[in-house]
Amino acid sequence: QSVLTQPPSASETPGQRVTISCSGSSSNIGSNTINWYQQLPGTAPKLLIHSNNQRPSGVPDRFSGSKSGTSASLAISGLQSEDEADYYCAAWDDSLNGWVFGGGTKLTVL
Amino acid sequence: QVLLQESGPGLVKPSETLSLTCTVSDASISTYHWSWIRQPPGKGLEWIGYISDTGNANQNPSLNSRVTISVDTSKRQISLKLKSVTAADTAVYYCARVTGSIWYGWFDPWGQGTLVTVSS
Repeated sequence: QSVLTQPPSASETPGQRVTISCSGSSSNIGSNTINWYQQLPGTAPKLLIHSNNQRPSGVPDRFSGSKSGTSASLAISGLQSEDEADYYCAAWDDSLNGWVFGGGTKLTVL
Repeated sequence: QVLLQESGPGLVKPSETLSLTCTVSDASISTYHWSWIRQPPGKGLEWIGYISDTGNANQNPSLNSRVTISVDTSKRQISLKLKSVTAADTAVYYCARVTGSIWYGWFDPWGQGTLVTVSS
């Protein structure tokens, strides 16, 4: 049981927009920034979004993040087949005094 | 672009100590925080612990104080020791640099990961 809650799966057709939610509490998302990681099949996770909505250099602007209260969302527009991956949210938790992850969302591009 | 490379035994016997090292490609090791994260086969990510740039360390309480993380700046290595392992500790183990502060930081980059299997 993960501290942050994500839907286990999501799917959409190429070119469309999909959003992945991440729900937490006042001790994590509610008081700290949220980060998103993309894990392509068979590879290590890669930073996708940091500080709620900041894209690292090289990440397409099709990817965007937002946060409101104790929840956050990752949006992917103009879906491409190469976006098929697992997506994880993560945040510092003040109660745990460490990082917590969501359980991950497997995105399927139909 | 800094590169991280995990290394260590791929097989550890139950009740023994898992020992891994993460080698950092540049000299930034003393100016950043570092973390270990693991992923059991087919499952999600679990934060193991971190060591700060000042040497302070903390671990996930779920690991029941079995974790030791240390830094050797002369070798540019971060070490992980997990004692009294069981089959539940079988996972791919990743090291990652923490960019930003501890509370507002993020993991970037990550190493490629190394699979450790706990079995007799």
